[in-house]
Amino acid sequence: DIVMTQSPDSLAVSLGERATINCKSSQSVLYSSKNKDYLAWYQQKPGQPPKLLIYWASTRESGVPDRFSGSGSGTDFTLTISSLQAEDVAVYYCQQYYRTPYTFGQGTKLEIK
Amino acid sequence: EMQLVESGGGLIQPGGSLRLSCVASGFRFSDNWIHWVRQAPGEGLVWVSHISRDGSITDYADSVKGRFTISRDNAKNTLYLQMNSLRVEDTAVYYCTRDQPGDPNAFDIWGQGTMVTVSS
Repeated sequence: DIVMTQSPDSLAVSLGERATINCKSSQSVLYSSKNKDYLAWYQQKPGQPPKLLIYWASTRESGVPDRFSGSGSGTDFTLTISSLQAEDVAVYYCQQYYRTPYTFGQGTKLEIK
Repeated sequence: EMQLVESGGGLIQPGGSLRLSCVASGFRFSDNWIHWVRQAPGEGLVWVSHISRDGSITDYADSVKGRFTISRDNAKNTLYLQMNSLRVEDTAVYYCTRDQPGDPNAFDIWGQGTMVTVSS
């Protein structure tokens, strides 16, 4: 199985500041022939299902604010929130959909400092 | 509005069986691979199973293989998860979620989930 490891486990950032969450996969999730990384980021708020933010490592889902961005390739990925808003408090998960079992990171809890 | 609505959860004793359902609306159900993902209380997300557009291909996490069966009825826009030989560790919220259209892809629509509690 591909193991997804996120860092840090929790993060406190001041409003308006940048938040950065890292995700590392135990194997590359880059599908070379398609030049696509099979990596997604989700946001989950308490009592709600996850919400897709980013797919193909860096493509923002429709309706997601542009302060959210994804980067990286191969085995190392980053989710960046450029200017933290109060409504961004949530747990964030990375996920690989390169190979089953599709696996998620353990989650990063983002709070306001 | 594109929507997935799960049902069928509840309290069940270890060793028992339960069937979850997930009804889709607002999109062409038969166009998408569909998945079950679960989340134990206070824990992270775990992929459980998926099924292809026509139901001919299925796959499972090792933890449920041989006990859970995924199926779909495209005429009824409904996904199922038959869960047998339930264990305490199967306790979780079960979400159904769809692949974005196309290749293996991220999960863009999620249901609200249905809670399964396995306890004596």
